[in-house]
Amino acid sequence: DTGVSQDPRHKITKRGQNVTFRCDPISEHNRLYWYRQTLGQGPEFLTYFQNEAQLEKSRLLSDRFSAERPKGSFSTLEIQRTEQGDSAMYLCASSLVRGHQETQYFGPGTRLLVL
Amino acid sequence: AQKITQTQPGMFVQEKEAVTLDCTYDTSDPSYGLFWYKQPSSGEMIFLIYQGSYDQQNATEGRYSLNFQKARKSANLVISASQLGDSAMYFCAMRVPRNNDMRFGAGTRLTVKP
Repeated sequence: DTGVSQDPRHKITKRGQNVTFRCDPISEHNRLYWYRQTLGQGPEFLTYFQNEAQLEKSRLLSDRFSAERPKGSFSTLEIQRTEQGDSAMYLCASSLVRGHQETQYFGPGTRLLVL
Repeated sequence: AQKITQTQPGMFVQEKEAVTLDCTYDTSDPSYGLFWYKQPSSGEMIFLIYQGSYDQQNATEGRYSLNFQKARKSANLVISASQLGDSAMYFCAMRVPRNNDMRFGAGTRLTVKP
């Protein structure tokens, strides 16, 4: 399978615990995005990487959230001291910019439930 | 600011019929891209079709076509010959190159009836 993969697919944790999610993008894609999606809503942008550089972060991304892409390949999203409001689907997408066109391809998501 | 609006929370269509899902957008940027994604109950966002703001012709991909009306700022998705497997959430999205995020609408839940 050469698509975007995410691990784990589901995570249940207790409030206050730390969680880490992984995303493996399509291999030749240089951009990687993280989104959060709550029930009944469209995805909301969190952050993105161009190769290993984190170029933009949304105001939604509180200081409890941190993302890395150390070698410009896979990425991790960590949430520290989880809160019940963090319960959501976390989606990763990757893209390859060609001229003015860029299409993002999404992974299956990690569904987080904070108890 | 960029904004995407999908006014239909839910739509029903009979199998084998065509259906149009509405999407309007707002941006002051002359260069932008419009996308449609399908999200089945499994959760994965599946890319369907792309339309660039400078594209002269409406985009088509198999049974999907995008009715792009630039003056009205609308980018409706037309699905022809609906199939039961088309039942899913459909999201319209817009990306402006000078920003790096993609804005999504609230989505439309399509149900195809046999």
